[in-house]
Amino acid sequence: DIQMTQSPSSLSASVGERVTITCRASQSISRYLNWYQQKPGKVPKFLVYAASTLQGGVPSRFSGSGSGTDFTLTISSLQPEDFATYYCQQSYSPPWTFGQGTRVEI
Amino acid sequence: EVQLVESGGGLVKPGGSLRLSCVVSGITFRNAWMGWVRQAPGKGLEWVGRIKSKTDAGTRDYGAPVNGRFTISRDDSKNTLYLQMDSLKTEDTAVYYCTTEGNYDSSGFYSFVIDNWGQGTLVTVSS
Repeated sequence: DIQMTQSPSSLSASVGERVTITCRASQSISRYLNWYQQKPGKVPKFLVYAASTLQGGVPSRFSGSGSGTDFTLTISSLQPEDFATYYCQQSYSPPWTFGQGTRVEI
Repeated sequence: EVQLVESGGGLVKPGGSLRLSCVVSGITFRNAWMGWVRQAPGKGLEWVGRIKSKTDAGTRDYGAPVNGRFTISRDDSKNTLYLQMDSLKTEDTAVYYCTTEGNYDSSGFYSFVIDNWGQGTLVTVSS
């Protein structure tokens, strides 16, 4: 199975700051990388697919990049509603696997 | 609006069995690729498995921790997805989410995304 490793596992940031989350795959997965956001007590919501394409309705302050084994999710200017846990997930080869999550807190 | 409503969760002893159901509305169920994702209390997301549509051969894939113990099935006449869980272990304790998987196009690059989630049902495995 493909292992996905996120870093950091948690971070503290202020409103308006730029935040970057990294996801690394144990083998090349091309651009088959998705990002999800989960707020406390809520269901996950997908933000980015194919490494860099924003799902409709996702604010443009979110961006994804990368290919192969290394990927990033960037929030250009953190907003109060962005405090959540973010997960990467590979869809290159089943079983799909998630990173362990990155908790973004104040 | 896509709605996924899970049921069947509860308390079960180690070694026991449980069957979860998920009733789906708002999409053409028979064409949908369906799956399950779980989340242990305070932990991250773990993909349980999925079942393709019958037109795509109804192929099933499972995550390693559940392979051989869990079975995903579907009844297209009832718009319902099932997860049969056997030989349950304490580490199977989690909220189980019913999901759909969509195939998304990014300028000709097609990839699968878990695009809809139910509210989840809690399964607790404990003696």
